[in-house]
Amino acid sequence: QTVVTQEPSFSVSPGGTVTLTCGLSSGSVSSSYYPSWYQQTPGQAPRALIYRTNSRFSGVPDRFSGSILGNKAALTITGAQADDECDYYCVLYMSSGISLFGGGTKLTVL
Amino acid sequence: EVQLVESGGGLVQPGGSLRLSCAASGFSFSTYAMAWVRQTPGKGLEWISGISYDGGTIVYADSVRGRFTLSRDNSQKMLHLQMNSLRAEDTAVYYCAKKLGSSWYPEFDYWGQGILVTVSS
Repeated sequence: QTVVTQEPSFSVSPGGTVTLTCGLSSGSVSSSYYPSWYQQTPGQAPRALIYRTNSRFSGVPDRFSGSILGNKAALTITGAQADDECDYYCVLYMSSGISLFGGGTKLTVL
Repeated sequence: EVQLVESGGGLVQPGGSLRLSCAASGFSFSTYAMAWVRQTPGKGLEWISGISYDGGTIVYADSVRGRFTLSRDNSQKMLHLQMNSLRAEDTAVYYCAKKLGSSWYPEFDYWGQGILVTVSS
């Protein structure tokens, strides 16, 4: 069974840059998986950040960017701020209309 | 302003049924694909079902296929998720999500506030 993998946790210093990744338990992630990224603070609905690898949803600041790095999708946050501290989820299109979320990365800004 | 408002959640016994609804406003509902995503307490997100803009194509995750039925009423701008044979592991917050367009790609630009479903005796 295919699993979408993400780092369970990551930390970044205020003002720093961090790259979170999204991989597959078997195989490589490419743009053909149409990776997207979502941000979620506790008790809130997810907020859309990136779709189709590197397109930002409306209203998302350009501090957030997406890419393919090696065999994984990646979300890079530059100039990290205190309110970037939350959970980040990637999701991949697996075919036949089915999507699969990763387990999420808890980002700490300290 | 796009709004998605879920309703119909609550406590149900194992084996029971529940029908979730999502009322949409602020956009041309009949033009967009829609989906349900759930989140178990303290855990991650799980895509469970998607429906095309016209309701003609519906897809389910393996975890709910055969037990859940997704439908939409474009005239009423409503999305419905009929959940049968509920199990403890279905306990989660259920989110209604709007797709960016009509594609099947995981591009959920707007989300409802979520509604809690608890399956317990």
